[in-house]
Amino acid sequence: QSALTQPASVSGSPGQSITISCTGSSSDVGGYNYVSWYQQHPGKAPKLMIYDVSNRPSGVSNRFSGSKSGNTASLTISGLQAEDEADYYCSSYTTSSNRYVFGTGTKVTVL
Amino acid sequence: EVQLVESGGGLVQPGGSLRLSCAGSGFTFSASWLSWVRQAPGKGLEWVANIKQDGSDKYYMDSVKGRFTISRDNAKNSLYLQMNSLRAEDTAVYYCARPRPGYYHDYWGQGTLVTVSS
Repeated sequence: QSALTQPASVSGSPGQSITISCTGSSSDVGGYNYVSWYQQHPGKAPKLMIYDVSNRPSGVSNRFSGSKSGNTASLTISGLQAEDEADYYCSSYTTSSNRYVFGTGTKVTVL
Repeated sequence: EVQLVESGGGLVQPGGSLRLSCAGSGFTFSASWLSWVRQAPGKGLEWVANIKQDGSDKYYMDSVKGRFTISRDNAKNSLYLQMNSLRAEDTAVYYCARPRPGYYHDYWGQGTLVTVSS
């Protein structure tokens, strides 16, 4: 099972919006609404930001939103802030024996 | 407050063994599936294994099947990962995490580093 494909890096200025893509196949992203997104600051544990494609856990800013079209899921961060600078990973259920698949990761830089 | 605290990491030679532990608190441990997820230095996340509430079902990623064993002791609110026949490619930070029915992980520990090297 190959990792889901994400861009290596995305950058934006404070206040701008950015979108991170996550591309898989019909065996994972495209076949199920089980896409989640995680934020990870250096040396820290991942933090759940979005689950079930577009749901936000309690306490996560509404500046974070998720969507999906076909085999590609997306995470949008609006009103970019310095604290959003981190690595972001998507994840999905997969029909492969590995059950869970993560994305390659995207480094978000706030200019 | 939900807490997951891993321990047991360290330096081990190729072919060696190590047992990781994860202590849970702040939630009903015995009612939760639990997972191990790892992250090699500078690399992405990789799901390793998970275990059902009563330990009756266990799932593993292909590359660790036959070498790693996940287990739990609900009386001690503890999760374990017995790792045998370790390889250099098993070097990673190992996180304990709680999976939810939608195939996402809502709580994560701080991780414990396993280094496989001679």
